[in-house]
Amino acid sequence: GAGVSQSPRYKVAKRGQDVALRCDPISGHVSLFWYQQALGQGPEFLTYFQNEAQLDKSGLPSDRFFAERPEGSVSTLKIQRTQQEDSAVYLCASSNPTSGGAEETQYFGPGTRLLVL
Amino acid sequence: AQTVTQSQPEMSVQEAETVTLSCTYDTSENNYYLFWYKQPPSRQMILVIRQEAYKQQNATENRFSVNFQKAAKSFSLKISDSQLGDTAMYFCALDETSYDKVIFGPGTSLSVIP
Repeated sequence: GAGVSQSPRYKVAKRGQDVALRCDPISGHVSLFWYQQALGQGPEFLTYFQNEAQLDKSGLPSDRFFAERPEGSVSTLKIQRTQQEDSAVYLCASSNPTSGGAEETQYFGPGTRLLVL
Repeated sequence: AQTVTQSQPEMSVQEAETVTLSCTYDTSENNYYLFWYKQPPSRQMILVIRQEAYKQQNATENRFSVNFQKAAKSFSLKISDSQLGDTAMYFCALDETSYDKVIFGPGTSLSVIP
C-alpha cells in the first residue's frame, strides 16, 4: 500500500510568515509523529498523536508550533511567525502499535524542507 | 534520560567489503526496541533493521546484521558485501516502550567507494 506522504516537499517562507505542513500517514496507522531534522543532525521529536489525541507535545520548541489531527488521519503542523531558526526538514512518521503497548516500527515520509529567509 | 551515541561521524568502505557502524545508548528500561535507519541523499528515512531488547538473538536482514550487547548497551550494524547504494546517513534509534518518542543518534555518514 501507499507509504507516508508529506506536502509540500519544499517550502520557502519569509520571516514572520505562517506555514502549514501536511502529513498523510499510512492508512489505518493509529500513531503519528512529527520530527524536526536540522542539517547534518538526527531527527528530533516534536509531537505524537494516537488517533486524534495529541498525547505528547513536549518536543515543540515554542508556542509558535501547533499540530493537529482532527479526524485521526491527516495531520497538519503549523508554524506561526516563522523564524530563521525554524529552517529544517520536518519529518512525519506513522506506526501501528500492537496491543499491550509495544511500539511498532515507525515509517517515515519524505519530509518537508522548510527554508525561512 | 535516554541518549543515543554514534561516535563515527563519517566512514568509508570499498565496494564488496564489510563495514561496522557503532552505536551506544543509555536507558533505564528493560524492554525497548533498537533500530537502524538509512537516509540516502533523497532524505527518505528507510528502516534497515530492528531488534527487540528481550530477544538475545541478533537480528539479520540479508546483508545487514547487528551485534546487540544488552549489558554493554551497544548496538552495532554490520554491512556485508557493501554496495554503492548503501551510501547514506545511518541513524541508530532507541524506542522505549513506556515512552512515545524515538530517540535518534547524530548519524554516521557512510560512503561506499567503487
